[in-house]
Amino acid sequence: DAKTTQPPSMDCAEGRAANLPCNHSTISGNEYVYWYRQIHSQGPQYIIHGLKNNETNEMASLIITEDRKSSTLILPHATLRDTAVYYCIVKGTYNTDKLIFGTGTRLQVFP
Amino acid sequence: GAGVSQSPRYKVAKRGQDVALRCDPISGHVSLFWYQQALGQGPEFLTYFQNEAQLDKSGLPSDRFFAERPEGSVSTLKIQRTQQEDSAVYLCASSLVGLPTDTQYFGPGTRLTVL
Repeated sequence: DAKTTQPPSMDCAEGRAANLPCNHSTISGNEYVYWYRQIHSQGPQYIIHGLKNNETNEMASLIITEDRKSSTLILPHATLRDTAVYYCIVKGTYNTDKLIFGTGTRLQVFP
Repeated sequence: GAGVSQSPRYKVAKRGQDVALRCDPISGHVSLFWYQQALGQGPEFLTYFQNEAQLDKSGLPSDRFFAERPEGSVSTLKIQRTQQEDSAVYLCASSLVGLPTDTQYFGPGTRLTVL
């Protein structure tokens, strides 16, 4: 079973920041938080991951609370092409560890 | 560079037929995963290879499902005697050297419809 809880859907106006929350209250100390997204009819796409520090890359920022029980993915300036299902995943530290997807958050960006 | 490719992109099979789905991982990637995604659901793990060794097949739903990667590159997922409940998108992902935080790169998937 997925170790994360996400809202089923969210809306965001184009050009505004999209903040996608995720709860992972049972996360272990050596587990990472990963975010993937899946645009319609495509395979999942890696966005970002983190352990306990906040992370930023060219796609997004990841804010992890100090107790690590929740996190927020931030898309700073959402575009229509960011419309997708976003998955928050807790993953262990072994290379054999598969990704356990939940049902994700369907983000709709509107003009 | 080229990403993960899968073929065919779409497959229609009659119930009881055997199907074979192909995955070409990114060149040099050691790890290869297969996932199954039912309509409206997130992907679910099927099996994992490190080079040619199948290290985890705990997600295969029945003995009708079989996967192989004989030379440590291309992989094939075979489903025997397909059933309607096998209808899904089958996704393949690969990662570089199998380090704990290696990113999994996904292919576009094969949509299997069993009539």
